[in-house]
Amino acid sequence: TQLLEQSPQFLSIQEGENLTVYCNSSSVFSSLQWYRQEPGEGPVLLVTVVTGGEVKKLKRLTFQFGDARKDSSLHITAAQTGDTGLYLCAGGSQGAQKLVFGQGTRLTINP
Amino acid sequence: DVKVTQSSRYLVKRTGEKVFLECVQDMDHENMFWYRQDPGLGLRLIYFSYDVKMKEKGDIPEGYSVSREKKERFSLILESASTNQTSMYLCASSLPGQVRGYTFGSGTRLTVV
Repeated sequence: TQLLEQSPQFLSIQEGENLTVYCNSSSVFSSLQWYRQEPGEGPVLLVTVVTGGEVKKLKRLTFQFGDARKDSSLHITAAQTGDTGLYLCAGGSQGAQKLVFGQGTRLTINP
Repeated sequence: DVKVTQSSRYLVKRTGEKVFLECVQDMDHENMFWYRQDPGLGLRLIYFSYDVKMKEKGDIPEGYSVSREKKERFSLILESASTNQTSMYLCASSLPGQVRGYTFGSGTRLTVV
């Protein structure tokens, strides 16, 4: 069974600080995705990475796929209150129709 | 704007009632999924469908059934609602494979009393 473990589970920081969220597995994935979910809403896809070592940037968010395609990280620079939410990573495998989701990291950015 | 629409944002039902949760997508996606989301337990897959009239059990199918008579619509049925089915239910759709990701609906918060 493929599992994805996210750390930390909870993170509360001040506006303007930097942070990194991790998503780790012992399994190799063909793709890794990050979603953000705001209270009362469904998750929204932020990015998909498919190549080992790949780095993608979305404004202040930087996503990296590990070289071995077993892990990923999300780094936020100068966090803003609008970054508050639940961040989910999800892994996909070749030929599989469904994703494996991590448990999520609940991020709170305080003004 | 492409989307997945869940028929209700909030529902309150009584124990023993038969409950229907409806999900419609306008993206011509083959795959559709039903998840429940509970604090501390993450997203748990109930059922998914990769084609009309096709369904597969997910991780927690007990107490649920599904129906997919048309490509755009995927229904989740609670045959006899129980209090432990109080949860946030999320519907999602995707193209075959998952590289392009899922599109989720806004969710239905179901309370069974």
